[in-house]
Amino acid sequence: AQSVAQPEDQVNVAEGNPLTVKCTYSVSGNPYLFWYVQYPNRGLQFLLKYITGDNLVKGSYGFEAEFNKSQTSFHLKKPSALVSDSALYFCAVRDMDTGRRALTFGSGTRLQVQP
Amino acid sequence: GAGVSQSPSNKVTEKGKDVELRCDPISGHTALYWYRQSLGQGLEFLIYFQGNSAPDKSGLPSDRFSAERTGGSVSTLTIQRTQQEDSAVYLCASSLGGERLNEQYFGPGTRLTVT
Repeated sequence: AQSVAQPEDQVNVAEGNPLTVKCTYSVSGNPYLFWYVQYPNRGLQFLLKYITGDNLVKGSYGFEAEFNKSQTSFHLKKPSALVSDSALYFCAVRDMDTGRRALTFGSGTRLQVQP
Repeated sequence: GAGVSQSPSNKVTEKGKDVELRCDPISGHTALYWYRQSLGQGLEFLIYFQGNSAPDKSGLPSDRFSAERTGGSVSTLTIQRTQQEDSAVYLCASSLGGERLNEQYFGPGTRLTVT
């Protein structure tokens, strides 16, 4: 079985400060890992993914995420937060070693960036 | 280009009635997914179509739920004998295959309310 945990329902950060949104995963094989973002009144958008290679992956809007196999984590980061980053963020996983192609999503973390 | 579209955007139905939700994926996308998002919950996978392969129905919560994808394009999700717990936002997503399989493009969703 594959699962994702986002331990924080909400993260608050001041504009200009670095932000981290946490994600841990559980798979029996090797993971594909994803971050999606849902802006207010807009559909979910793909942000970035990790498949293989460098543990630090870069995505849209200045976001990056670090894959840590020993900690089974894939935290989303940004060096300097913007008010416009305020949104709902979802981490997702897919087990590469099973036949299942669909993603399992976490419950989401609401990011609030204060001016 | 055009994104994923879903109709209707909102549906209110009485308990026990059947409903049909429609999804038009992005042209050329071979993979199509249905999810539902309940208030305060993450995305719950329902069903996945990929080309001409048999769909992955492992997420359908009961036999009242079914989906089809005609001609490899438009998909319809049908819920029979709706129950109040079926109230949620139903999201459709599509993606290319291969390495971009899980870079999903989401539609705006259909908000289903069962009274």
